[in-house]
Amino acid sequence: KAGVTQTPRYLIKTRGQQVTLSCSPISGHRSVSWYQQTPGQGLQFLFEYFSETQRNKGNFPGRFSGRQFSNSRSEMNVSTLELGDSALYLCASSWSSSGGGSTDTQYFGPGTRLTVL
Amino acid sequence: AQSVAQPEDQVNVAEGNPLTVKCTYSVSGNPYLFWYVQYPNRGLQFLLKYITGDNLVKGSYGFEAEFNKSQTSFHLKKPSALVSDSALYFCGVNFNKFYFGSGTKLNVKP
Repeated sequence: KAGVTQTPRYLIKTRGQQVTLSCSPISGHRSVSWYQQTPGQGLQFLFEYFSETQRNKGNFPGRFSGRQFSNSRSEMNVSTLELGDSALYLCASSWSSSGGGSTDTQYFGPGTRLTVL
Repeated sequence: AQSVAQPEDQVNVAEGNPLTVKCTYSVSGNPYLFWYVQYPNRGLQFLLKYITGDNLVKGSYGFEAEFNKSQTSFHLKKPSALVSDSALYFCGVNFNKFYFGSGTKLNVKP
């Protein structure tokens, strides 16, 4: 099976711009989660999508949004970029179930490195 | 609130020696605990998880972890470290969403 893929791998933007990142989960996985990784804050949960619905959300401002398509592919969008948004954005997928997936293993993609100038 | 702590930012060990990377957790309910490894410029790779049952969990690349309920710990171990084990290790708990520790950098010296 192919793993989780993320595009693009690297991105450079300027403050005030917006950006869209894409994630294709492992075939058959229905849950997609997004994380932000920075040296100072570590790994922080952004949100999780399951069957095209946001199921969980972390503590990020509304500038961060996401969506999931019927084929489970997901995108996240960051509007009005700030310097502090520079980070590695990781996507993870899991099989999950409609009742939640606390025992599920998440499989991560390689990440998108976003640099905001 | 659910949380995971990795008390050591860095662990140094000589190749061939046993290694331990520490993790403690705080959850209300059953802890579903995970270990991941991250190599430079890569995503996280799953190593092992504890759901229930035997307190000693065996995972990938010769790693194992011991679940200790009384000490609320889930330490990662390997009997004989390799230089190629040098990486960033994350402990996490899944409580409807993942909570990760701050990560521990493992340095294995030849």
